[in-house]
Amino acid sequence: EVQLLESGGGLVQPGGSLRLSCAASGFSFSSYAMSWVRQAPGKGLEWVSTISGSGGSTYYADSVKGRFTVSRDNSKNTLYVQMISLRAEDTAVYYCANSWGLQYYFDYWGQGTLVTVSS
Amino acid sequence: DIQMTQSPSTLSASVGDRVTITCRASQSISNWLAWYQQKPGKAPKLLIYKSSSLESGVPSRFSGSGSGTEFTLTISSLQPDDFATYYCQQYNSYWTFGQGTKVEIK
Repeated sequence: EVQLLESGGGLVQPGGSLRLSCAASGFSFSSYAMSWVRQAPGKGLEWVSTISGSGGSTYYADSVKGRFTVSRDNSKNTLYVQMISLRAEDTAVYYCANSWGLQYYFDYWGQGTLVTVSS
Repeated sequence: DIQMTQSPSTLSASVGDRVTITCRASQSISNWLAWYQQKPGKAPKLLIYKSSSLESGVPSRFSGSGSGTEFTLTISSLQPDDFATYYCQQYNSYWTFGQGTKVEIK
């Protein structure tokens, strides 16, 4: 059974940093691209970032480019996103999701972790 | 960037109704389109990929169609479990979601 479990969310002040993790199990982690998608309270889904299975290719939404860094540790079956210079508009539930490749839909999703940026 | 526009934003319907949601892309995306269902407090769930391919385990009352810039999601006979928000997503060039369509009880 595929499982994706996000962690690391919490309350952070504007300008602060946070690192989210997504622990994966039930599939061949290194064979799948992984993505982060966020959802602000009461709003729709917004793609944030994607990383290839090898970690050699990364992609970012314009809204987070230069502030977020996605990475993965295939030996630990874990996906990360390092977030710096956080803004109030980054407040959202952050989901990780897997996909068979870079030009694919998102197959399985984690349950999400809430990031709140507020003073 | 490819923009995705869904209509309507909200849809009121009754159990047993046939429901259609439309998704339009700002440029051609061939058939690289997926549909997701999301219930409050839950993660999105994949329903349809490649415009019309039904994900395993998804009831056959869900169907998708379209190519190029116009796509539809149809629920042939709305069931109580189907009241939720639906999102389209293009994956032709990066990834973009529509703004969502909330299907509520009439």
